[in-house]
Amino acid sequence: DAKTTQPTSMDCAEGRAANLPCNHSTISGNEYVYWYRQIHSQGPQYIIHGLKNNETNEMASLIITEDRKSSTLILPHATLRDTAVYYCIVRRARDNTGKLIFGQGTTLQVKP
Amino acid sequence: NAGVMQNPRHLVRRRGQEARLRCSPMKGHSHVYWYRQLPEEGLKFMVYLQKENIIDESGMPKERFSAEFPKEGPSILRIQQVVRGDSAAYFCASSPDSSSGNTIYFGEGSWLTVV
Repeated sequence: DAKTTQPTSMDCAEGRAANLPCNHSTISGNEYVYWYRQIHSQGPQYIIHGLKNNETNEMASLIITEDRKSSTLILPHATLRDTAVYYCIVRRARDNTGKLIFGQGTTLQVKP
Repeated sequence: NAGVMQNPRHLVRRRGQEARLRCSPMKGHSHVYWYRQLPEEGLKFMVYLQKENIIDESGMPKERFSAEFPKEGPSILRIQQVVRGDSAAYFCASSPDSSSGNTIYFGEGSWLTVV
């Protein structure tokens, strides 16, 4: 599995953009980058995923570098409810397991 | 479209009893995953099932734990002779299939407390 590296924690002011980085330097050409978050005592919530191109949905934007060795999740206007642990995951495609392997993630604290 | 449904949400068992956790995948999803999260720890993969088949059980403890996903009905995670160390949140997830472009969605979890 391609490993990911994320900062342990980050702070963000409410209303500002939260930019969460992720390094995945060993990613393979057919592996996707997925982002999930887990708010305390809840199940993981899917945010966004991408392969090569930048992606945007109603929750966030995903910027993937041209060499695909790193990516950034952007929450454009963070609110207090965005306080959570954010996981960057590279999903295996070499076999048919398709499972997600979670690391420690980044704890994002949105402050008033 | 209902999400992944897990029940019970909270379960208390005495040491030595059995715990059964149920998971109904999202409509149209035929792949189910179980994860465990011990208190103050990360999410750990346990098992991946398709209908009537276990595809990957590399994260399952060798004893006391079993999982099934029958042709009809929900997926079941069964823990026999529970011990205090089994106290955790158990999350079920589902996907339409296992290719990388298909998203996995999680349920809200079942919290097991062993007393």
